Amino acid sequence: EDKVVQSPLSLVVHEGDTVTLNCSYEVTNFRSLLWYKQEKKAPTFLFMLTSSGIEKKSGRLSSILDKKELFSILNITATQTGDSAVYLCAVAYNTNAGKSTFGDGTTLTVKP
Amino acid sequence: DAGVIQSPRHEVTEMGQEVTLRCKPISGHDYLFWYRQTMMRGLELLIYFNNNVPIDDSGMPEDRFSAKMPNASFSTLKIQPSEPRDSAVYFCASSLLPGGSYEQYFGPGTRLTVT
Repeated sequence: EDKVVQSPLSLVVHEGDTVTLNCSYEVTNFRSLLWYKQEKKAPTFLFMLTSSGIEKKSGRLSSILDKKELFSILNITATQTGDSAVYLCAVAYNTNAGKSTFGDGTTLTVKP
Repeated sequence: DAGVIQSPRHEVTEMGQEVTLRCKPISGHDYLFWYRQTMMRGLELLIYFNNNVPIDDSGMPEDRFSAKMPNASFSTLKIQPSEPRDSAVYFCASSLLPGGSYEQYFGPGTRLTVT
C-alpha cells in the first residue's frame, strides 16, 4: 500500500525561527512530489519536485527531493505568524495520472 | 478565472436525508477530483474524473456515495442517505494534464454537518 508520511505532526515556533518539515514516501510509479499550504480553507500549491537534488525556492520557502532515500523537506526561514498553517505533502503517479496521495500534514504554529 | 467553485459552502442536514454537493472546475482543466477531509482521516481522495469520465472511484466509502460529471464544467457528489459519520469538509479540485503541472487547484470546500 502506498504511504506518504509527514513529520512532525505539529510544531510550535517563534517568529524568526527556521523550520524544517519532512515528508517520506513509499509509492509505486512515483512521478513527482508536491507541497501544499492549507490555512483555514482550501490547500494552495507551493512546489512540485520531480528531480532529485534540485532545490525549489520561493521567498523564504524552499524544498528539495531525494529520490534515492525517498523523502523531501520543506524549509521555512525567518518564520512569520502568517506562515501558521497545515503543510501537506502529496505524491503524484506516472500511471493513474492525475491522482495524488496526500500525507496527514504538519500543523505549524508561529507565535509572535 | 474565478477558480474552482463549490456550492453550498455549508450544509447542515439530518441523518437519512439526501445531500448534493456541486462543483464547477476551472475552465479548460481536464481532471476533476473529489476529496473528503476530517481530523481523524486527513485528506482522502474519493473519486476523480478525466474528461468527464470516472477514472478511479476506489476511495468512495460505500454505495451511499455517488458522483457524476455530466459535462466539462459541472460535477456533483451525492450522499443518500446521509449519516453523522459523513460530516466533513468536502473539497473539489481540478488540474490540467498532460503537458501541464500536476498541481491541483482546490475549491473553498463544503462543510457538511449531518445531525
